[in-house]
Amino acid sequence: EIVLTQSPGTLSLSPGERATLSCRASQSVLGTYLAWYQQRPGQAPRLLIYDASRRATGIPDRFSGSGSGTDFTLTISRLAPEDFAVYYCQQYGGAPNTFGQGTKVEIK
Amino acid sequence: EVQLLESGGGLVQPGGSLRLSCAASGFSFNSFAMSWVRQAPGKGLEWVSSIPGSGPSTYYADSVKGRFTISRDISKNTLYLQMNSLRVEDTAVYYCAKDRRVAGNTQIFASWGQGTLVSVSS
Repeated sequence: EIVLTQSPGTLSLSPGERATLSCRASQSVLGTYLAWYQQRPGQAPRLLIYDASRRATGIPDRFSGSGSGTDFTLTISRLAPEDFAVYYCQQYGGAPNTFGQGTKVEIK
Repeated sequence: EVQLLESGGGLVQPGGSLRLSCAASGFSFNSFAMSWVRQAPGKGLEWVSSIPGSGPSTYYADSVKGRFTISRDISKNTLYLQMNSLRVEDTAVYYCAKDRRVAGNTQIFASWGQGTLVSVSS
């Protein structure tokens, strides 16, 4: 099974700042089959990015994804107040699909 | 609008059983793969099980294989998870999730319900 390691564990930033989140896989992810989800407190996860760089329906363009192989990045260009949340990466190129442990983006 | 509404969670003793339901609306239920994903208290996400839109195949995480059974009733637009031989480590919020692609089983979870809490404790 592919293990995903997210870093940092917590990111402390101010609104308007840029956030860069990392997701590293224990082996190469087939076909850039990697997604990012956002989970706000008390809410279900929400799909942000799939296929490493494609934004899901309705996702603002301040969210972008990049990467291939074993290294992937989620970038939030300018943090809005509603972006402070936990972010998870997920690979679905190998069975079983697996999630990273999450990165919390908190208000500094 | 896609809506997924889970129910059936609760407190159960170790070794007990529970059946979760997920009522779906706003899309063609038999055209999309559906999945269950769980989240233990204060922890991350863990895929549990998936079922394609059609056909007999089902898929399970090793942690639940042989104990959990996923199924769907097309006539009721409802997804189920029968959970037997429950363990303390099965305690979690269980989410049902809809696949992103029609007639696919991409394991991209495009829509989620609000979840139902399962607590396994003596």
